[in-house]
Formats: sequence, structure tokens, C-alpha cells
Amino acid sequence: GENVEQHPSTLSVQEGDSAVIKCTYSDSASNYFPWYKQELGKGPQLIIDIRSNVGEKKDQRIAVTLNKTAKHFSLHITETQPEDSAVYFCAASKKAAGNKLTFGGGTRVLVKP
Amino acid sequence: DAGVIQSPRHEVTEMGQEVTLRCKPISGHNSLFWYRQTMMRGLELLIYFNNNVPIDDSGMPEDRFSAKMPNASFSTLKIQPSEPRDSAVYFCASSFGQSYGYTFGSGTRLTVV
Repeated sequence: GENVEQHPSTLSVQEGDSAVIKCTYSDSASNYFPWYKQELGKGPQLIIDIRSNVGEKKDQRIAVTLNKTAKHFSLHITETQPEDSAVYFCAASKKAAGNKLTFGGGTRVLVKP
Repeated sequence: DAGVIQSPRHEVTEMGQEVTLRCKPISGHNSLFWYRQTMMRGLELLIYFNNNVPIDDSGMPEDRFSAKMPNASFSTLKIQPSEPRDSAVYFCASSFGQSYGYTFGSGTRLTVV
């Protein structure tokens, strides 16, 4: 089955700096890659996603890039703010698996003011 | 839309007791997922349903766990008998098709003493 690896497990950045989280996946048939943000005491919330026919997608301060050949995708957060502090999860799925997502292990991001 | 609704938010029970967790998915979503989150194992998929039919229950830890989805607007996850190692946060999520990410509920924090 699909395996998603996520790095780093923790990330500390200064407010205003950029943060980058990287994920690799094993199944070349995977074609949908969402990112979730989980704040303390809450469920994960979808923040951005990308499909395999696109190489990059941006939404304000966040962007995701996808390299299908290398089977990895990344989340970029620019101009980080304290409210960006949370745990971030990447995930992958493929049509043959229905809607089943395989999640990475998560990255705890701390933005220091 | 009120989102995915889970109840109860917190549950403390004694070892050996039966526990029932409840979930109301977003109206119109056709897939429902039950996840368990712990520090050690991260987000684990327990079971998921498509159109009220269980598709993959390979993540259910053992026979003590069971899940039902009697209709499109309600699902339960039952643990009988409960054990201290079942202590975790249990999330329900729903989605519509692979093109859209999951919407998670706020979770049920279960403590078995």
C-alpha cells in the first residue's frame, strides 16, 4: 500500500521567515495530495491541495509543489506568523483506493515572535 | 453547514465498559472515515464507508472495535470492552469524491482508566 514520509518532525522558525515541509510517497499511481493544519484541541483542517496534473499551487502565503518523477511534494509557508504554529500533515491518495488518504507523520511548526 | 459533528467531545470510562462514539457527516458527503490519533502512532485510519457501506476495516485494531453506518447522516464507533490502551482522540471525517479533501470533526478524547 501507499507509504507517506514527512520531514522534519519539528520545525522552529522566526516570525517572518519561511517554513518548508517535505513529503515523499511510494505509490506512483497517487494523484491527489492535500495538506492539513491541526491546531491544539481541534481536528485537522484542509489548507491546500494539489493534483498530479499540476506542478505548483499557491494560496496567499502558502504554496505546494509536486514532483511526480521524484514522488515528492512540499508545503511552503512564507512570512510566517505566530498563528501558523500548529501541526501540519501531508497526505496522498489515488482513484483506485477511492477516497482513502494515507497521512504522513506530521510536522510540528513553532513560529517564534 | 455545521460541519462534521462528533459526540461526545470527552469521554472518561472505566476499563471493561462499553464506549460508543457518534458522528454526523456533512450532508451530501458520501464517504465517512474514522481515525484514531495518538502521540505514538499519529493518525491511524480505522475504517471507512462509501455510500454507507464499509469498504476497508483493516485498521480496526481487534474484535473489540466495531463501526456502523445505518444511514447517510449517522455513524457510530463502538469499543466493547474498553481498555486503557484505547485512550486516544478519535476523529470522524467525511468527504465527497476523491477531488475534495476530508472535513474532520472536532474529535472525541477518550480516556479509559
